[in-house]
Amino acid sequence: EVQLVESGGGLIQRGGSLRLSCAASGFAVSTKYMTWVRQAPGKGLEWLSFIYTGANTYYADSVKGRFTISRDNSENMVYLQMNSLRAEDTAVYYCARSVDLLSPFDYWGQGTLVTVSS
Amino acid sequence: DIQMTQSPSTLSASVGDRVTITCRASQTISRWLAWYQQKPGKAPKLLIYEASTLESGVPSRFSGSGSGTEFILTISSLQAEDFATYYCQQYNNYSWTFGQGTKVEIK
Repeated sequence: EVQLVESGGGLIQRGGSLRLSCAASGFAVSTKYMTWVRQAPGKGLEWLSFIYTGANTYYADSVKGRFTISRDNSENMVYLQMNSLRAEDTAVYYCARSVDLLSPFDYWGQGTLVTVSS
Repeated sequence: DIQMTQSPSTLSASVGDRVTITCRASQTISRWLAWYQQKPGKAPKLLIYEASTLESGVPSRFSGSGSGTEFILTISSLQAEDFATYYCQQYNNYSWTFGQGTKVEIK
């Protein structure tokens, strides 16, 4: 059974850093395309970052230069390193996967809440 | 970046109603469009991909249509468990974007 479990969220001061983790089971993250999506309180979904074969990565303009996605194939984990956090980064952060670049996000984690205090 | 615009933002309907939600892309995305359902406090759930392909396990009352820049999600007979927020998403290029969401409320 495919499962994604995020962790690492919490309360952090503006300007601080946080690393989110996504533990995958039921498949190998090295064989799939992994992404992070966030949702601010009461708002819609915002795609943030994507990592695929060969550790190629893409970022939304809103987080480019501040957030870094990475993957540990041996631990079957995906990470999101978040630096220079702002109040507007407050959101639930979801990890999700797709089978290739032209596929939707078919499995999602339950999300982890990040609150940036000003 | 490709912008996705959904309409309406909110929809009030009754059990048994036929419901349609529209999603428009700012440029052509062929058929690389997905629909998700999200309930409060839960992660989004994939309903439809490639504009009209039903994800495994999704009830057949859900259907999708369209190509290019205009897409439609239809719920043929709304059930109590369908009251939720629905999002479209394009995955045509290297900047995946979602619509702003359509909340389906009880009338």
